[in-house]
Amino acid sequence: DIQMTQSPSTLSASVGDRVTITCRASQSISSWLAWYQQKPGKAPKLLIYKASSLESGVPSRFSGSGSGTEFTLTISSLQPDDFATYYCQQYNSLWTFGQGTKVEIK
Amino acid sequence: EVQLVESGGGLVQPGRSLRLSCAASGFTFDDYAMHWVRQAPGKGLEWVSGISWNSGSIGYADSVKGRFTISRDNAKNSLYLQMNSLRAEDTALYYCAKVARAYSSSCFDYWGQGTLVTVSS
Repeated sequence: DIQMTQSPSTLSASVGDRVTITCRASQSISSWLAWYQQKPGKAPKLLIYKASSLESGVPSRFSGSGSGTEFTLTISSLQPDDFATYYCQQYNSLWTFGQGTKVEIK
Repeated sequence: EVQLVESGGGLVQPGRSLRLSCAASGFTFDDYAMHWVRQAPGKGLEWVSGISWNSGSIGYADSVKGRFTISRDNAKNSLYLQMNSLRAEDTALYYCAKVARAYSSSCFDYWGQGTLVTVSS
């Protein structure tokens, strides 16, 4: 089974900061990686698919990069609406989520 | 508008069974694979099971293999999860999710609001 490891687990940041979250796969998943945002009491929302493709309607301050085993989600300028938990997910072999990264207000 | 509405959750004793349902609308249901994902209270997301558009391909997480059965009824635009031999660690909010690409294994672009399953004596 493919394991996904996110870092950091928690990130404290301020509005306007550039934020980067890393996700590592235990084996190569090519570009079959997605990123989701989840707010308390809500279902996850798809942000990025195929490692770097922006889902329709998602603000352009979100971007994804990487391939193989190392991936990043970047928020170029953190907005108040972006404080949430972020998950990566591989879909190369079955489906596996990372453990999540909580972005909180500094 | 895509809608996924889960039902069937509740309080159940360990060792008992429960059947979850997900009613889908707003898209051509039988073109898309569907999945169940769960989230224990205060914890992260865990993929549980998935089924292809025609039920020809099915997968389960190791944690539920042999106890849970996924199925779908394309005529009723519905997805199901039969959960047997329930354990305390199965306590979670169970989400139904639609894949983003027709006829493919893909990530999930729409999610329901979830149905809560609590396993406790």
